Amino acid sequence: DVKVTQSSRYLVKRTGEKVFLECVQDMDHENMFWYRQDPGLGLRLIYFSYDVKMKEKGDIPEGYSVSREKKERFSLILESASTNQTSMYLCATLSSMNTEAFFGQGTRLTVV
Amino acid sequence: GENVEQHPSTLSVQEGDSAVIKCTYSDSASNYFPWYKQELGKRPQLIIDIRSNVGEKKDQRIAVTLNKTAKHFSLHITETQPEDSAVYFCAARVGNTGNQFYFGTGTSLTVIP
Repeated sequence: DVKVTQSSRYLVKRTGEKVFLECVQDMDHENMFWYRQDPGLGLRLIYFSYDVKMKEKGDIPEGYSVSREKKERFSLILESASTNQTSMYLCATLSSMNTEAFFGQGTRLTVV
Repeated sequence: GENVEQHPSTLSVQEGDSAVIKCTYSDSASNYFPWYKQELGKRPQLIIDIRSNVGEKKDQRIAVTLNKTAKHFSLHITETQPEDSAVYFCAARVGNTGNQFYFGTGTSLTVIP
């Protein structure tokens, strides 16, 4: 069973804080993704990584950065949190056959 | 890039009736189309998928159809049950690399007992 674990279920941060969201997977998948989920907008891709130290921008990378120092860990960083970054954040990994994506349980971030 | 549109955004059906959710895509190179179900407070999970060389796939009460010419694919749920209530996402993958996976905006399905 693939396990994708996000470090927090709920986070409350202040405007301007630097925020780290961590995602860890145990299946040796090369591809990892960060999405944000907002009502009516579905899942929007922020960043993805297809290998260690490799990253590419998704559709909405502004205000975010990522880090992939180890294959199993993909971190999403909000350099200076803003209220419009209040959202549900979902991490996902893609199997070696590039078919089924496995999701973490999500982190609901509130920026006040 | 690929653009996936999903309709309707909300759907209510009586228990036992059928539910249909439709998605369209823009990139003719898309070759893999999964459907994910997200129950309240839980992570999205794959429920069925279809590849571009297949027109229809069925798994018990759920089925997916694909029309490559029209660039649309649909999820069909028959004999709906209250536990089918969830948000459903369609997705399309372009090419064989993992970096081109596009999701629809989701459909919130409510099955009324």
